[in-house]
Amino acid sequence: KAGVTQTPRYLIKTRGQQVTLSCSPISGHRSVSWYQQTPGQGLQFLFEYFSETQRNKGNFPGRFSGRQFSNSRSEMNVSTLELGDSALYLCASRGGANQPQHFGDGTRLSIL
Amino acid sequence: KQEVTQIPAALSVPEGENLVLNCSFTDSAIYNLQWFRQDPGKGLTSLLLIQSSQREQTSGRLNASLDKSSGRSTLYIAASQPGDSATYLCAALYSSASKIIFGSGTRLSIRP
Repeated sequence: KAGVTQTPRYLIKTRGQQVTLSCSPISGHRSVSWYQQTPGQGLQFLFEYFSETQRNKGNFPGRFSGRQFSNSRSEMNVSTLELGDSALYLCASRGGANQPQHFGDGTRLSIL
Repeated sequence: KQEVTQIPAALSVPEGENLVLNCSFTDSAIYNLQWFRQDPGKGLTSLLLIQSSQREQTSGRLNASLDKSSGRSTLYIAASQPGDSATYLCAALYSSASKIIFGSGTRLSIRP
């Protein structure tokens, strides 16, 4: 069974640009969550999607948005990029509340 | 407020020792608790998931326990090896539709 796949693995952008990250969950998993990880702030929850609906949301500005498609694949978009958005963005999926959450290897985003 | 705490933030032990990592949570009405390890620059790898009805789970040299009444979970690693060096995170789920709450992790270093 394939794991959680995130693309691209690395991305370099400049301030003011926007970016879209992609996540393909494990087959059959309907819950997809996104996290931002930085050395200073640790792992921070962005949002969770379940069956194409945002189910939970973290404390991030509106520049951070996401969506989920009918095949459970998810995208995360960040607009008007700032230097502080440089981070490892992790996606995770799970098959149900009683199932473990599985993570992808992340997308390393660098803002110049 | 539901919080998950991991102390200490870092731990260094010689190879071969048995060790215990701690995780505390503020709300005893936990749904399940999951332990992860993270290697530098990588995503999180699921180690063990304990349901609220369980007291412990074992996988190889790893044993995780859950004590809801005291708000504690421990991860026991037997006969530690240098390859066990990583950051270990615990995460609590409080209901089937809620977000998963992560601790800040314990960075473990096993000295050869």
